[in-house]
Amino acid sequence: DIQMTQSPSTLSASVGDRVTITCRASQSISSWLAWYQQKPGKAPKLLIYKASSLESGVPSRFSGSGSGTEFTLTISSLQPDDLATYYCQQYSNYPRTFGQGTKVEI
Amino acid sequence: EVQLVESGGGLVQPGGSLRLSCAASAFTFSSYWMSWVRQAPGKGLEWVAYIKHDGSEKYYVDSVKGRFTISRDNAQNSLSLQMNSLRAEDTAVYFCARDPVEGSHWAEYFQHWGQGTLVTVSS
Repeated sequence: DIQMTQSPSTLSASVGDRVTITCRASQSISSWLAWYQQKPGKAPKLLIYKASSLESGVPSRFSGSGSGTEFTLTISSLQPDDLATYYCQQYSNYPRTFGQGTKVEI
Repeated sequence: EVQLVESGGGLVQPGGSLRLSCAASAFTFSSYWMSWVRQAPGKGLEWVAYIKHDGSEKYYVDSVKGRFTISRDNAQNSLSLQMNSLRAEDTAVYFCARDPVEGSHWAEYFQHWGQGTLVTVSS
């Protein structure tokens, strides 16, 4: 199985800060990576697919980059609405696997 | 707007069975890969199972193989997950999710999600 490791596990930042979350895969997954945002008590929401493609309707302050085994999700200017847990997910192989999540605190 | 509505969750004893359903609307259900993803209380996301749009391919995470069965009824726009021999570690919110590409030959990521249904396995 491909292991996905996110860092940090928790991140405290202020409104307006630039925030970066890292996701590492245990083997190359090319660009087959998605990022999700999950707010407490809600279903996850797709933010980024194919490592760097922004899902329709997602604010442009969110961006993704990387390929192979190392990926990043960046929030260019953190907003109060961005309080959430963020997950990466690989879709290169079965079983599909998620990172353990990064909780963003404002 | 794509809608996915899960039902069928509840409290079940260890070793028992439960069948989850997901009612889909506002898209051509028979053209999309569908999946179940679960989340144990306070934990992260875990993919459980995938089914191709025509039901011809199914994939499972190892921990549920032989116990869970994913199926679909394209005439009724419905996805199901039959869960047998349930264990305490199956306790989770179960989400139904849809893939992004109509008619794709392979499954990708989870573009649309339902609100989830809670399954609790406890005596």
